[in-house]
Amino acid sequence: EAGVVQSPRYKIIEKKQPVAFWCNPISGHNTLYWYLQNLGQGPELLIRYENEEAVDDSQLPKDRFSAERLKGVDSTLKIQPAELGDSAVYLCASSPGAMNTEAFFGQGTRLTVV
Amino acid sequence: DQQVKQNSPSLSVQEGRISILNCDYTNSMFDYFLWYKKYPAEGPTFLISISSIKDKNEDGRFTVFLNKSAKHLSLHIVPSQPGDSAVYFCAASATGTASKLTFGTGTRLQVTL
Repeated sequence: EAGVVQSPRYKIIEKKQPVAFWCNPISGHNTLYWYLQNLGQGPELLIRYENEEAVDDSQLPKDRFSAERLKGVDSTLKIQPAELGDSAVYLCASSPGAMNTEAFFGQGTRLTVV
Repeated sequence: DQQVKQNSPSLSVQEGRISILNCDYTNSMFDYFLWYKKYPAEGPTFLISISSIKDKNEDGRFTVFLNKSAKHLSLHIVPSQPGDSAVYFCAASATGTASKLTFGTGTRLQVTL
């Protein structure tokens, strides 16, 4: 069974430019998450989807970040415009949503803003 | 406000010995706890979990202990192997599911020969 797939793996952009990340969750997982991981820190939740609905986006900086999950499968996370402080690893995860089950993470996209 | 704390940034253990990684939490609503392992340039990989109705869960070389009164959990790895060298994250949820995980800052485990 394929895991959570993210692309690109690495991205370097200049500040003020837009950037987008893509995620394909594990087949059948209704719940999809985007996490942000800064260096030396644990992942922090940005947004959680149940199917196509964003049910928790309280930590998403909505002035520059946006996300969508069309058709309740793949998802994209966009930053426009990017700032130097956005340099981090962006992790996508999915889970079946049932009790006592875990979230499965993709390999992440390492963003460097210069 | 760090609700999940891993106070040891690093730990070095000899191969074959026991590794004990600790995690403390402050939110009494947390009822589901997970440990993830992370290698460089990879995403976190699930290792083991425990529900608040239990105080111990075991899976092969890995055992997680939960002390609810102390708001403390620990991960024991016995025996430790060089391949266990990674960063270990403790995570907690207040929903009984993985729907909103709060992670600690991680502990880097180095298993030496």
